[in-house]
This record gives sequence, structure tokens and C-alpha cells, in this order.
Amino acid sequence: DQQVKQNSPSLSVQEGRISILNCDYTNSMFDYFLWYKKYPAEGPTFLISISSIKDKNEDGRFTVFLNKSAKHLSLHIVPSQPGDSAVYFCAASGIGAGSYQLTFGKGTKLSVIP
Amino acid sequence: AAGVIQSPRHLIKEKRETATLKCYPIPRHDTVYWYQQGPGQDPQFLISFYEKMQSDKGSIPDRFSAQQFSDYHSELNMSSLELGDSALYFCASSLGQGGNQPQHFGDGTRLSIL
Repeated sequence: DQQVKQNSPSLSVQEGRISILNCDYTNSMFDYFLWYKKYPAEGPTFLISISSIKDKNEDGRFTVFLNKSAKHLSLHIVPSQPGDSAVYFCAASGIGAGSYQLTFGKGTKLSVIP
Repeated sequence: AAGVIQSPRHLIKEKRETATLKCYPIPRHDTVYWYQQGPGQDPQFLISFYEKMQSDKGSIPDRFSAQQFSDYHSELNMSSLELGDSALYFCASSLGQGGNQPQHFGDGTRLSIL
């Protein structure tokens, strides 16, 4: 049973436009959410995170939104750049429950077209 | 900045052999996590250590064991290797477990079982 779901396997966006990557989760114990970016032959690179006490966190071109009632989060990248082309993983953990392991979604492959 | 170092990057073994994967966390990080990523899959949590003690256990087979040493590096020992153990093994480290500390990943060890 996939507790973290990324329903879009791929996404193509024009350079300069906004990229929106979505993630849904089912486990109500999750209270800390992260986005990772992964290039081939490299490990996941941490991008941005959000705690369940917030509904928005922003870092430069990256913004993560959390809707707890809908168990949904999204990553906005604006403006999108060709170097953003990678696989993006959504991950979650239940820190309040003492579980620090990350549960990952299956990833969304973002292609930014010049 | 120094990142998580994993060695070796690639490892080829035969069935029933043993393998040892090493992980050197980011300096001052005291928590290490191991994940296994099969082809086309999301990373799955195996085991974690905090201050040299096992802190959490996931879907790690009994044939595998791990430990964290006094210098905080960690080793994943795998015995009686099976074809299904072929995967990418990631190590991640963080500074503590609470306080919403993100996990930072190494580039992984690709293990191939012939």
C-alpha cells in the first residue's frame, strides 16, 4: 500500500513557466514532508521541507504548500529552468510518532523545455 | 560542503557471497539511515542509527546487519546474497532525529548480483 503517492509519472513545462508537482499521502501520522530532486547516477538532493504546523514554506524559486485536511502537498518551481529537469521525489515522516524513516513517493520526472 | 560518502560506488557479487557497504556521514551528523532502491522503485527504508545505537528498523532482511561506529560511519553487511538483492543502496545522514532535520543522501552503491 503506497502511503505517499505521486500520481503524475512525468511533467513537461516550458522554460520560464511554473512547474507544479503534486503529492498525496494517506498516513495521518506523517507530520514532516520533504521534496528531493534526483539526477541519474546521483543520490537524492534535499530541496525543501515543511512541517505540518505550517501550510507554506518558500526558498528562492521553490515553494511547498501543504493542505493537511486534503492530505496533499505540492511543490511550485518558478521560473522553471532547464537545469531543473530531474526526477522529483516527495517524502514524509512521522516525527511526532517517533518514526524518522522517510516514506517516498514513486517520483515525477520533470522536463523543462528550453 | 562535505556530503555523505558511500563506498564502493559499484559492487558485483555472486549468489551466496557476502558484501559490505560503507557510509561516511556529513561531519557532525550523528544519525545514519540506509535505504534500498530497486529498479523503477522508490527508496525503501532498511535501518537507522542514532548515536551508534539502532534507532529504527524497516524492511531489512535477517541476512543483513548494520552498525554505526564511534566515528559515526556506518557499514551495511549483507550475507547469502540473492539475485533480488540487486539494487541501489543509499545512505543518508542527519543532525539528530528531531527538530525537523532533513536527511542528506549519498550517491549510493549499486550492487549487482550475478
